Amino acid sequence: KNEVEQSPQNLTAQEGEFITINCSYSVGISALHWLQQHPGGGIVSLFMLSSGKKKHGRLIATINIQEKHSSLHITASHPRDSAVYICAVEIVGSNYKLTFGKGTLLTVNP
Amino acid sequence: EAQVTQNPRYLITVTGKKLTVTCSQNMNHEYMSWYRQDPGLGLRQIYYSMNVEVTDKGDVPEGYKVSRKEKRNFPLILESPSPNQTSLYFCASSWMGTDTQYFGPGTRLTVL
Repeated sequence: KNEVEQSPQNLTAQEGEFITINCSYSVGISALHWLQQHPGGGIVSLFMLSSGKKKHGRLIATINIQEKHSSLHITASHPRDSAVYICAVEIVGSNYKLTFGKGTLLTVNP
Repeated sequence: EAQVTQNPRYLITVTGKKLTVTCSQNMNHEYMSWYRQDPGLGLRQIYYSMNVEVTDKGDVPEGYKVSRKEKRNFPLILESPSPNQTSLYFCASSWMGTDTQYFGPGTRLTVL
């Protein structure tokens, strides 16, 4: 069983819809990262969380440490949000080693 | 401009021919890391370094070597590449391990 599970694997939405991508993990963590990768492109770090909630523009990330769960929300989605969204965790005691989920492919249609 | 650079961006080579992929950052970051990305497997960490002369294995270190002689550079060395090392490789850096990671543009390696 993977230590980091993302759902859904694939998500198709219409422009303007509210998007939620989920990340669950089975181990104790010191931090959780959300990354974005456009098709054929590089990887951009969106958020790094150890508790609570962060917001940047139309993106919101939340984490519930007790439930071992994080969500990435996109409000008023746009076709340029189409990308793979990747969750990664730093496991406690792992000396900053990152373990990744397999990613969620988001397609936003105009 | 703050950035992480990797070279080469694309490389096709043959089994057994030693190669080095360079990674350099201009942000004075202490933490650097190498990842490989494969379809269906996602990103996996190969090696990471918390400072000069301090390196440690990630999840898939077999067949790779790294060195961190200077803070800005973290080359990935494949002493004897094999076809199963065909992959997309990313270098990343951050101030500390628990911090925003800055990724390089990626190196697509094909080993024939």
